[in-house]
Amino acid sequence: SQQGEEDPQALSIQEGENATMNCSYKTSINNLQWYRQNSGRGLVHLILIRSNEREKHSGRLRVTLDTSKKSSSLLITASRAADTASYFCATEGTSGSRLTFGEGTQLTVNP
Amino acid sequence: DAGVIQSPRHEVTEMGQEVTLRCKPISGHNSLFWYRQTMMRGLELLIYFNNNVPIDDSGMPEDRFSAKMPNASFSTLKIQPSEPRDSAVYFCASSPLGTDTQYFGPGTRLTVL
Repeated sequence: SQQGEEDPQALSIQEGENATMNCSYKTSINNLQWYRQNSGRGLVHLILIRSNEREKHSGRLRVTLDTSKKSSSLLITASRAADTASYFCATEGTSGSRLTFGEGTQLTVNP
Repeated sequence: DAGVIQSPRHEVTEMGQEVTLRCKPISGHNSLFWYRQTMMRGLELLIYFNNNVPIDDSGMPEDRFSAKMPNASFSTLKIQPSEPRDSAVYFCASSPLGTDTQYFGPGTRLTVL
C-alpha cells in the first residue's frame, strides 16, 4: 500500500480562505516532501521537511511534521484560484533515494 | 534550463505494439526516476538510476517493461508488447546529487487500444 495517505481526498474552498491537507505515513523517514500537480502537468516540488524538523515555512505554505504520529500537514494561507491543483505528500525512507507518493488531495479554490 | 524533457507527449498505439518513451534529465542531475500514474493506482515508481546504473527496478510491473540509461543525458522506457492496462501517464524525474528534491517532466500520456 502507499506509504503516504492524504486527507481529505478532495477539498473545495473560496479564494482567501486557508486550505489544510494532511498526510499520514507508516515507516520511519528521512524527509517528507509536498508536491503540486496541475491538471495535465508534471509534479512540482513545493517544500521538504526533514525528520528532525517540526515546522517549515515557504511563502504562503506552512508544513508541520509530527514523527511520533507519523503525520504531516500542509497549510496554504490566503488561497488563490491559481492554487487549484492536486497536492501530494511523498516520503523518503531511511534507506534513501526513492520517494513513495500518497494518493493526493484535489484542492479547488473558487474565485 | 529547459527542465526534464520527455517525448513523445502523447502516444496512441494498438495492443501488441512496442512503445518507447524517452527522457532527457536536467543537465548535471545524477539520479533519474520513471513513474507511472493512473487513477486506480496513483503514482508508482517503476525504476530509478543513479549515475546511469539501475538501482531499484522492483516497481517494474513485468518483463514486458524495460528501462535503459546509456548515458547521463538520456533514458528510455520500453514496453513490449504493450497491453491496454499499460495505458497511463508516464513521468520521468531527475534529481541532483546531494539533494532529495525531484524535478518532473511533463509526462507522456500513453493509450493502448
